[in-house]
Amino acid sequence: GQSLEQPSEVTAVEGAIVQINCTYQTSGFYGLSWYQQHDGGAPTFLSYNALDGLEETGRFSSFLSRSDSYGYLLLQELQMKDSASYFCAVSETGFQKLVFGTGTRLLVSP
Amino acid sequence: EPEVTQTPSHQVTQMGQEVILRCVPISNHLYFYWYRQILGQKVEFLVSFYNNEISEKSEIFDDQFSVERPDGSNFTLKIRSTKLEDSAMYFCASSPIGTSGSTWDEQYFGPGTRLTVT
Repeated sequence: GQSLEQPSEVTAVEGAIVQINCTYQTSGFYGLSWYQQHDGGAPTFLSYNALDGLEETGRFSSFLSRSDSYGYLLLQELQMKDSASYFCAVSETGFQKLVFGTGTRLLVSP
Repeated sequence: EPEVTQTPSHQVTQMGQEVILRCVPISNHLYFYWYRQILGQKVEFLVSFYNNEISEKSEIFDDQFSVERPDGSNFTLKIRSTKLEDSAMYFCASSPIGTSGSTWDEQYFGPGTRLTVT
């Protein structure tokens, strides 16, 4: 089976930088993706890594180390609207599904 | 911008009844999915669907559940004989796999149907 671990909650202030970590255990790893979910809303795709390294998309960056089974989402210049839950999700080779982590609730304060 | 739509937004049903949740995926997407999320918990995969058949299903997706693409636009999840523990938010998603460079990791979720079983 698969398991993904994330911190349950992270707090930060506006304008700051925050990193949300994700460690995973899975066989046949294919890629790691990140989704944002506001309360009562649907998950929204943020970023995806299949290879080691950093992917940058505006204020959000995502990093993957396949050898360490570890990734993180980096959010810069935090804004109040970034307050949400963030989920990492893994896909496995040959399987058309995502397995989501337990989610990290990010609280951004003024 | 194209989006996944779901109806109804909220469904209340009595235990033992059948419900059908409806979804319209993004029109040029090829893979379709159903997930569920119990309040305050993580998103759980139920089933994926491609080329008019199930391509993957989880242990949650037992004989109580079925999916169908009755026409070229709709994608439905049927739950027979609902149980109290089926109460959750059900999300439909689609992904553009097959188009340039995309994978099923980039999935587009609908707004969800909140199912309440009483």
